[in-house]
Amino acid sequence: TQLLEQSPQFLSIQEGENLTVYCNSSSVFSSLQWYRQEPGEGPVLLVTVVTGGEVKKLKRLTFQFGDARKDSSLHITAAQPGDTGLYLCAGNRDDKIIFGKGTRLHILP
Amino acid sequence: DARVTQTPRHKVTEMGQEVTMRCQPILGHNTVFWYRQTMMQGLELLAYFRNRAPLDDSGMPKDRFSAEMPDATLATLKIQPSEPRDSAVYFCASGLDRRESNQPQHFGDGTRLSIL
Repeated sequence: TQLLEQSPQFLSIQEGENLTVYCNSSSVFSSLQWYRQEPGEGPVLLVTVVTGGEVKKLKRLTFQFGDARKDSSLHITAAQPGDTGLYLCAGNRDDKIIFGKGTRLHILP
Repeated sequence: DARVTQTPRHKVTEMGQEVTMRCQPILGHNTVFWYRQTMMQGLELLAYFRNRAPLDDSGMPKDRFSAEMPDATLATLKIQPSEPRDSAVYFCASGLDRRESNQPQHFGDGTRLSIL
């Protein structure tokens, strides 16, 4: 059983469209991080959310932590080809960091 | 920019051979993590160290895998004997003390391992 479920697994959309990807769990996390990974490279941290209901913006990316700290979403506005990559969420629980399997995003020019 | 350095970047070997992967964490970081990434399982934590002491290796098959930090600038992950199911990308990451839950991990670019 995967502790952190990410959906969708794959998403391919046209440049300029908006999209939302999700990270869901039945467990509570003390914090949650989003990473982006490009082919041949390691994951790179985008953001950490700590407080339930917290919203953070990073240019066209908006991250939200659920009120109960069990889930999170990433919304991208006006997607660009440079947003292509694997988006991973990672939750911190009982001093362990657990990764979801990721959403593989492809933005078509 | 400071980076985590992993060597080798690629390794192809026959089953039964010993494989050693190396990681140089970012200077000043006191936690080191080893992960394995596959399409089926995603990113799995194998082991982690704080101040060079192993804190958790519950994700690691103990019979063939071993992880060590001989000094603060080097972490190693060994597989002996290697098996085809060990084929994966192995990542090392370093960070500051994870007891502060919002400390980021900095990943290397991985070692792509293929066991024939």
